[in-house]
Amino acid sequence: EAQVTQNPRYLITVTGKKLTVTCSQNMNHEYMSWYRQDPGLGLRQIYYSMNVEVTDKGDVPEGYKVSRKEKRNFPLILESPSPNQTSLYFCASSRGAGYNEQFFGPGTRLTVL
Amino acid sequence: RKEVEQDPGPFNVPEGATVAFNCTYSNSASQSFFWYRQDCRKEPKLLMSVYSSGNEDGRFTAQLNRASQYISLLIRDSKLSDSATYLCVTNTGNQFYFGTGTSLTVIP
Repeated sequence: EAQVTQNPRYLITVTGKKLTVTCSQNMNHEYMSWYRQDPGLGLRQIYYSMNVEVTDKGDVPEGYKVSRKEKRNFPLILESPSPNQTSLYFCASSRGAGYNEQFFGPGTRLTVL
Repeated sequence: RKEVEQDPGPFNVPEGATVAFNCTYSNSASQSFFWYRQDCRKEPKLLMSVYSSGNEDGRFTAQLNRASQYISLLIRDSKLSDSATYLCVTNTGNQFYFGTGTSLTVIP
């Protein structure tokens, strides 16, 4: 089954404790992206990757890191989480930008205390 | 200024009604346009792409007006299962921009 998986689905952590949210897709997509969704602000792009070893900042990259060492995986790293990073996070993949459908993972609900 | 703006609603309509949503975008360099559907904080899913000539998919019709920089979605003969949040999305360069969504509830 074609899908994007994210782990964990739910996470409660404390300020400053490094964490990684994994994202994996099995569709051989070149484009992958991370979004955060907050009430009243919609989905905002954090980082995106056009291909392996190519990553770029989206609109809200501060406090996040990503890597794209393999085509299928695109982990999101929070080196020192803060309460303002409490949010619902979605990973997505597609064949490219432009008129390509993005397939989203199920989301990760993160709470930083 | 937000890249994409939508009326958040909510829109509450009876079954069988026709409902229309509009969305405006600020960047004239935007290249591609979409409507996504999101159910209750689940992952967004593509409803339809929006092309310059307008396009239709069953009960759903999407229009794009590049001169006025707005996108519309028309839903005819609303079903209970259409209840969701509808997200307007644009693509500029390699980035995607989402509106905050318009909430629709179809009432029996």
